[in-house]
Amino acid sequence: AQSVAQPEDQVNVAEGNPLTVKCTYSVSGNPYLFWYVQYPNRGLQFLLKYITGDNLVKGSYGFEAEFNKSQTSFHLKKPSALVSDSALYFCAVREGSGTYKYIFGTGTRLKVLA
Amino acid sequence: DGGITQSPKYLFRKEGQNVTLSCEQNLNHDAMYWYRQDPGQGLRLIYYSQIVNDFQKGDIAEGYSVSREKKESFPLTVTSAQKNPTAFYLCASRLSGDTQYFGPGTRLTVL
Repeated sequence: AQSVAQPEDQVNVAEGNPLTVKCTYSVSGNPYLFWYVQYPNRGLQFLLKYITGDNLVKGSYGFEAEFNKSQTSFHLKKPSALVSDSALYFCAVREGSGTYKYIFGTGTRLKVLA
Repeated sequence: DGGITQSPKYLFRKEGQNVTLSCEQNLNHDAMYWYRQDPGQGLRLIYYSQIVNDFQKGDIAEGYSVSREKKESFPLTVTSAQKNPTAFYLCASRLSGDTQYFGPGTRLTVL
């Protein structure tokens, strides 16, 4: 069965430092991977996705993610964190072709400290 | 959130009452989805629809119903059979590609 794991409930990082939010996945076939961000009482905003191609994917607001097939990971990164990056981050994977169902991780709360 | 609207923003339900959450999109997207979000559990799929007049159950469909009579609308009814409906409900839509776009959500509280 397809699954997504976000092993950290919360990540704290100082402003200006690099940040990483971890995601691992389990799928049959080629993975279609996504990162979303959610601010309090709001919907999810799309950040980036990996479908195929380069393992390093660049997205919105300076975020990027690295696809690692051997480690089945898709970690979200940013070189220099901002206080405004503080939010809830979700990793998601699309199930196998044809269904267009998506599985979401449980979310990681990022707190950037001034 | 642009292009997908959900109403109301806050909704209160009494015991034994059915309530309907609205989701409308003007993006001309084919597929629409309903998710439920509870603290620490991420998003769980309730129902989804890939075309008009067709929809499928997700992982937690019990106690919910939907309709898809128009491409732009995908209302969700929370019935009295749903015993623990207090949650944040999110609607999403998708065109032909893989990316889902989300509405701003409706917070439902049982009184």
